[in-house]
Amino acid sequence: QQQVKQSPQSLIVQKGGIPIINCAYENTAFDYFPWYQQFPGKGPALLIAIRPDVSEKKEGRFTISFNKSAKQFSLHIMDSQPGDSATYFCAASMLWVSNDYKLSFGAGTTVTVRA
Amino acid sequence: DVKVTQSSRYLVKRTGEKVFLECVQDMDHENMFWYRQDPGLGLRLIYFSYDVKMKEKGDIPEGYSVSREKKERFSLILESASTNQTSMYLCASSLALPYEQYFGPGTRLTVT
Repeated sequence: QQQVKQSPQSLIVQKGGIPIINCAYENTAFDYFPWYQQFPGKGPALLIAIRPDVSEKKEGRFTISFNKSAKQFSLHIMDSQPGDSATYFCAASMLWVSNDYKLSFGAGTTVTVRA
Repeated sequence: DVKVTQSSRYLVKRTGEKVFLECVQDMDHENMFWYRQDPGLGLRLIYFSYDVKMKEKGDIPEGYSVSREKKERFSLILESASTNQTSMYLCASSLALPYEQYFGPGTRLTVT
């Protein structure tokens, strides 16, 4: 079963809109929450990440909001552009073996931004 | 720039064949990973290697094995391919604290 639940599965917005992707987790051992962006034909690439001691992080037009008590986090894409059309994965990281970390990914959200 | 390359972008194999997927990274990363990506399921970890000749099972290791003889190369092996192993396979690498994983472009494997 997936340790990180992501929704919605897909969404379509007009250019300039704000797509919002939500993720939830149960395991409090997770201590790092990255978002990956994947364009068709490419592997995922790190977009932005947050630690649980921070409630919000912004990088350019991308913002992560984090609610530790609710065990939820979300990605907002401000002033979305057609070039933001991609699949977005949330993930959560926890200490695993040999002092290294394992990422658990959500199911992914396909975002389409219409011009 | 970190570069992770995978030996094939597309591969078609028959049921029962032994399949090798190769991955090479050029950044001297300790950790390497194999995932499979399926619609609606996201990325699921198959195997992980944190050093040469070292490996750990991920969430779905059944039907797969791996080999890491050199630091830069990590191979995924399907001992006897089955149709339910038709998927996109992604390789990734990272430094000792794998907060950022660098992914290859993926290999789309079809088993008929």
